[in-house]
Amino acid sequence: DTEVTQTPKHLVMGMTNKKSLKCEQHMGHRAMYWYKQKAKKPPELMFVYSYEKLSINESVPSRFSPECPNSSLLNLHLHALQPEDSALYLCASRRQASGGYEQYFGPGTRLTVT
Amino acid sequence: KNQVEQSPQSLIILEGKNCTLQCNYTVSPFSNLRWYKQDTGRGPVSLTIMTFSENTKSNGRYTATLDADTKQSSLHITASQLSDSASYICVVTQTNFGNEKLTFGTGTRLTIIP
Repeated sequence: DTEVTQTPKHLVMGMTNKKSLKCEQHMGHRAMYWYKQKAKKPPELMFVYSYEKLSINESVPSRFSPECPNSSLLNLHLHALQPEDSALYLCASRRQASGGYEQYFGPGTRLTVT
Repeated sequence: KNQVEQSPQSLIILEGKNCTLQCNYTVSPFSNLRWYKQDTGRGPVSLTIMTFSENTKSNGRYTATLDADTKQSSLHITASQLSDSASYICVVTQTNFGNEKLTFGTGTRLTIIP
């Protein structure tokens, strides 16, 4: 298994809803990431988990809550989002490659907040 | 300020033709440089990864070059196919105490027309 999977592919939610995004990898990678990507813009780092512990939080609003239940799974819990939070949310995991680390990206979840 | 600039912003070429995309960076210290292909609404897929000491790396019809002295990289696509239509993103990595920071370019939108 050499891929990062994300569910759901698409999500539409209201501003009062609570939902979760799920990311999974079975490559034994011990670092996992959440990125947010707006249309025609590069991905922006949100969170980094290393060995199931949160190591980086890029000053993300508390309405986004990450969770790493085990080394293969990464969740992003969403609550009271704003329309401007609509974006493609990408998950990635990291492996050691020759010359440094290499990140593998999932296909993303397209989130629309109404 | 760490920056990655790509040119052109967009490019349209005929199927079967070759093209070259450019990436200039000011990121320091430098760990590696990667080119990713991203289809619309999908996660980025790694094409090549290059370290400081590597000048050229190929992956099928994709050939990346790196000049660490001038801090420039290029991605050459040979005999383009319709499936090459995508955004191509240059990403430069800094590594510090086991954590890496990725600086993304804004991408080149490539369209292949029949």
